[in-house]
Amino acid sequence: DAKTTQPTSMDCAEGRAANLPCNHSTISGNEYVYWYRQIHSQGPQYIIHGLKNNETNEMASLIITEDRKSSTLILPHATLRDTAVYYCIVRVAVGSNDYKLSFGAGTTVTVRA
Amino acid sequence: NAGVMQNPRHLVRRRGQEARLRCSPMKGHSHVYWYRQLPEEGLKFMVYLQKENIIDESGMPKERFSAEFPKEGPSILRIQQVVRGDSAAYFCASSPPGGISYEQYFGPGTRLTVT
Repeated sequence: DAKTTQPTSMDCAEGRAANLPCNHSTISGNEYVYWYRQIHSQGPQYIIHGLKNNETNEMASLIITEDRKSSTLILPHATLRDTAVYYCIVRVAVGSNDYKLSFGAGTTVTVRA
Repeated sequence: NAGVMQNPRHLVRRRGQEARLRCSPMKGHSHVYWYRQLPEEGLKFMVYLQKENIIDESGMPKERFSAEFPKEGPSILRIQQVVRGDSAAYFCASSPPGGISYEQYFGPGTRLTVT
C-alpha cells in the first residue's frame, strides 16, 4: 500500500492561503490521491481527489507533481471554520475494481484570527 | 437527498453487553465501509461491504466483531461482549457502485462508551 507523509500540524492566518503538503513517494501509476478533513469530532468530509492533473473545486485546489510523488492541497482563503485535521490518502485497491481508504495521522491545521 | 445516517449517535453499554450500530447509506449507494476512531487517534479501516457480501474485513478484530449489509435494511456493526477498549467513535461511509473514481460520504458517527 502506498503510504503518505504529512506534517503533524501547521498554523495559518485567517484570510490567507493554506498550503498543505503530502508526500506519497511509493504511489503507483493508477492510484488516486484523496483529501479529506475532519472538523472536531464530526465525520470526515471529502475535499478533493486527483490522479495526474491539478484539480480545483469550490473548496480547494490540488496540485500534484509531475512525478506524482507529492501533492499540495491549497485552501485559497482560510477561515476559522477550516480548522480541522486534514488527511491525505492514497486509495488502496481491493481486488480488481474495489477500493478502500487508509487514513494516516493527518495534519492538524489551526486557522488563527 | 439525505446523507449517510447512523444510529444511535451515542451508545452506552456495560462490559459484557452487546452493541449494535446501524448505518443507512445514501440513496443509490451500495457500498458501505466501517471505520473506528479511538480517542485522540486517526480513523482505522475495519470492513468494506456490498449488499450481502463482505469485500474486505482485514481491519476487523478477529473476535467479538461482525458486520453485515443485508439486501434490505441498514448495515449493522455488531460488537459482542464489549470491553472498555471498545470505547470509540465508529464511522460509517458509503459510496456508489464501482467506478474508477468516486468519493466516500461519511455519517456523523456513533460514539460508544463502555462502562
